[in-house]
Amino acid sequence: AQSVTQLGSHVSVSEGALVLLRCNYSSSVPPYLFWYVQYPNQGLQLLLKYTTGATLVKGINGFEAEFKKSETSFHLTKPSAHMSDAAEYFCAVIWRSQGNLIFGKGTKLSVKP
Amino acid sequence: AAGVIQSPRHLIKEKRETATLKCYPIPRHDTVYWYQQGPGQDPQFLISFYEKMQSDKGSIPDRFSAQQFSDYHSELNMSSLELGDSALYFCASSLGLAGARLNEQFFGPGTRLTVL
Repeated sequence: AQSVTQLGSHVSVSEGALVLLRCNYSSSVPPYLFWYVQYPNQGLQLLLKYTTGATLVKGINGFEAEFKKSETSFHLTKPSAHMSDAAEYFCAVIWRSQGNLIFGKGTKLSVKP
Repeated sequence: AAGVIQSPRHLIKEKRETATLKCYPIPRHDTVYWYQQGPGQDPQFLISFYEKMQSDKGSIPDRFSAQQFSDYHSELNMSSLELGDSALYFCASSLGLAGARLNEQFFGPGTRLTVL
């Protein structure tokens, strides 16, 4: 079955440190890939997406993600964490036969001063 | 820029009551998606509409129904509410079906439903 896996339900980093949030999908056909951020008691905001073309995708707030077909991965990174990055991050996919998003379980990012 | 509007933002109901959630998509968007996010859970797709017709169905209980109206707003009707229906309900809109043309889905702020 097609699925999205986020490794680590909770990641804690120090301010200024590298942020790495992992996302893998299971499918022989690469889906469209997304990262969403959700701040407490708020809706989902799109950080970035990969559809076709360049595999390194830059998003808002200094985040970027790289699509690696051989690893079926779409990990999210940010070189230097900021306190305002503390939130929950969801990796999501759309398989090309569907229109709805399939979300991973989410990773809660904490940033320590 | 106009965003997706959901009303009400908060709703408290008793078990076995009914609830109606409303979603107003971004102007000119013709596709609406409904998602349910339980406490500490990831959002789960419920149902979607394109040009006022149901386009896809996910894990929507039979007690729930939805429709999209001529002005493209959508309503999610929930009957015989259960404690487990307590969740954040998101609506998203896009211009065209997201899978077919990969049009970005824009999410509303959600309606938090609490069933007591």
